[in-house]
Amino acid sequence: DGGITQSPKYLFRKEGQNVTLSCEQNLNHDAMYWYRQDPGQGLRLIYYSQIVNDFQKGDIAEGYSVSREKKESFPLTVTSAQKNPTAFYLCASSTPGQWDQPQHFGDGTRLSIL
Amino acid sequence: RKEVEQDPGPFNVPEGATVAFNCTYSNSASQSFFWYRQDCRKEPKLLMSVYSSGNEDGRFTAQLNRASQYISLLIRDSKLSDSATYLCVVTTNAGKSTFGDGTTLTVKP
Repeated sequence: DGGITQSPKYLFRKEGQNVTLSCEQNLNHDAMYWYRQDPGQGLRLIYYSQIVNDFQKGDIAEGYSVSREKKESFPLTVTSAQKNPTAFYLCASSTPGQWDQPQHFGDGTRLSIL
Repeated sequence: RKEVEQDPGPFNVPEGATVAFNCTYSNSASQSFFWYRQDCRKEPKLLMSVYSSGNEDGRFTAQLNRASQYISLLIRDSKLSDSATYLCVVTTNAGKSTFGDGTTLTVKP
């Protein structure tokens, strides 16, 4: 079955530590996205990538970094510069250029500060 | 003003009721529209796309009003299992998607 896999499901970060969240998809989608969701709020875009080796900042990119070396993979690093990292992180993918095609989501990673 | 605005609710309705949610958007370059459903502590899942002519999927009807820049979702004959948060999503012709904060629905017996 095609889909998006995020890991780990739960992650704990110590102060001053960088952590990396994994996102892998086998849907053959060119575009991938990272969102952050805080309790009772909607999704906010962190970074997105429409093609391999290219990515753009979303609305809340500060304190985060990404890479897109392979079509299937779009890891997100939460750096120590992100002072309030506790949130639910969601990865999504879609087919760019086909705007009537929705995004498909992984089941998320919950990040907390130790 | 947010790019996409939803009434946060919560909407508390009895089983069998009809309930409607609205979502307004401010970017006139918006091209595609969707409703997602999100259960507590889970990822959003696509409920339905919204087409210009309006579309229906069983008990769910979605409509788009481009002139007034809003979309709506109507749920008929509500079930207990419809309890969730409903997110509207607006995508521009540049491919950027913006999510509303969601409307929470609780269907009670």
